[in-house]
Amino acid sequence: NAGVTQTPKFRVLKTGQSMTLLCAQDMNHEYMYWYRQDPGMGLRLIHYSVGEGTTAKGEVPDGYNVSRLKKQNFLLGLESAAPSQTSVYFCASSRPTTEVAKNIQYFGAGTRLSVL
Amino acid sequence: EDQVTQSPEALRLQEGESSSLNCSYTVSGLRGLFWYRQDPGKGPEFLFTLYSAGEEKEKERLKATLTKKESFLHITAPKPEDSATYLCAVQAGGSYIPTFGRGTSLIVHP
Repeated sequence: NAGVTQTPKFRVLKTGQSMTLLCAQDMNHEYMYWYRQDPGMGLRLIHYSVGEGTTAKGEVPDGYNVSRLKKQNFLLGLESAAPSQTSVYFCASSRPTTEVAKNIQYFGAGTRLSVL
Repeated sequence: EDQVTQSPEALRLQEGESSSLNCSYTVSGLRGLFWYRQDPGKGPEFLFTLYSAGEEKEKERLKATLTKKESFLHITAPKPEDSATYLCAVQAGGSYIPTFGRGTSLIVHP
């Protein structure tokens, strides 16, 4: 049971470099999310997707782009990294249902990104 | 705008010292409230879902309760392995997108 897998686990970038974070889920979930987590700030939603081919902005979308070409994959891109993007990034997935108890998010282990 | 506030930000307990974490919310039409546990260096893991005032859920030393304005996560006789960050999230209205609180960092000393 892989669940939600994020790659890479760690990355160091220089200011201005670009990179893509990959999230893959094997639970056939419709919804996928990208969060960033900074000390004292909790989880902040960057972008999310409600299905293959769809994306939407979350709370802190500036400086990031996303794509969901396949249902199981959700990519987060940084076109020109900035030190303010140093953070821990989490991907999550869920299956929306009218049964609230089943609207659980499953998270990956995170990607720790440092931008120098 | 939906708001979720968790308190305290950090809590230090001695092993066996019971306490409670609070999650207060201001939302229109609560659909569900979720508690997650996050260990250092890992992603959050689901603990409980609550969706009606008066509801209670229990798991080992943890018990979650819900009122119309807040939820409590009661920890009875905690052990060092209960040390983690506890996150609260709410779903409201017609959206399945949750709003998270900033979490409570719990440290239990042996």
